[in-house]
Amino acid sequence: DIQMTQSPSSVSASVGDRVTITCRASQGISSWLAWYQQKPGEAPRLLIYDATRLQSGVPSRFSGSASGTDFTLTISSLQPEDFATYYCQQANSFPYTFGQGTKLEIK
Amino acid sequence: EVQLLESGGGLVQPGGSLRLSCAASGFMFSSYAMTWVRQAPGKGLEWVSAISASGGTAYYVDSVKGRFTISRDNSKNMMHLQMNSLRVEDTALYYCAKDKAPTGTANWFDPWGQGTLVTVSS
Repeated sequence: DIQMTQSPSSVSASVGDRVTITCRASQGISSWLAWYQQKPGEAPRLLIYDATRLQSGVPSRFSGSASGTDFTLTISSLQPEDFATYYCQQANSFPYTFGQGTKLEIK
Repeated sequence: EVQLLESGGGLVQPGGSLRLSCAASGFMFSSYAMTWVRQAPGKGLEWVSAISASGGTAYYVDSVKGRFTISRDNSKNMMHLQMNSLRVEDTALYYCAKDKAPTGTANWFDPWGQGTLVTVSS
């Protein structure tokens, strides 16, 4: 199975900050990576797919990038509604796997 | 508007069975692969199973193989997860999710339902 390792596991930041979350795959997954946002008590929401494509309706301050087996989610200027937990997910091969999550907290 | 409504969760003893259902509306159900993802209390997301748009192909995480069976009824816009030989570690909120695009195989999950809680305890 492909392991997805996210870092950091938690991060504190302020409104307006630029934040980067990283996900590393245990083997090559091409661009088969997505990012999800989950707020407490809510279902996850798709933000980015194909490593870099922004899902319809998602603000442009969210972006994704890829380099080999390393993937990055960047929020360019944090807004109050962005404080949540973020997960990466690989769809290169079954069983699909998620990263362990990164909790983004208000500083 | 796409809607996914899970049902069938509840409290069951170890070794017992449950059948989860996901009722879909607002899209051409028979064109989209579907997926089950679970989340244990206070934990992260775990992909559980997926089924192709036609229902002809199914995939499972190793920990549920031989115990869980995914199925769908395209005439009724329904997906099911038959869960047998349940274990304490199967306790979780179970989400159903639609694939983002009508490709036939599940890749990206959008949207998700609100989940149904399965508790396995004696």
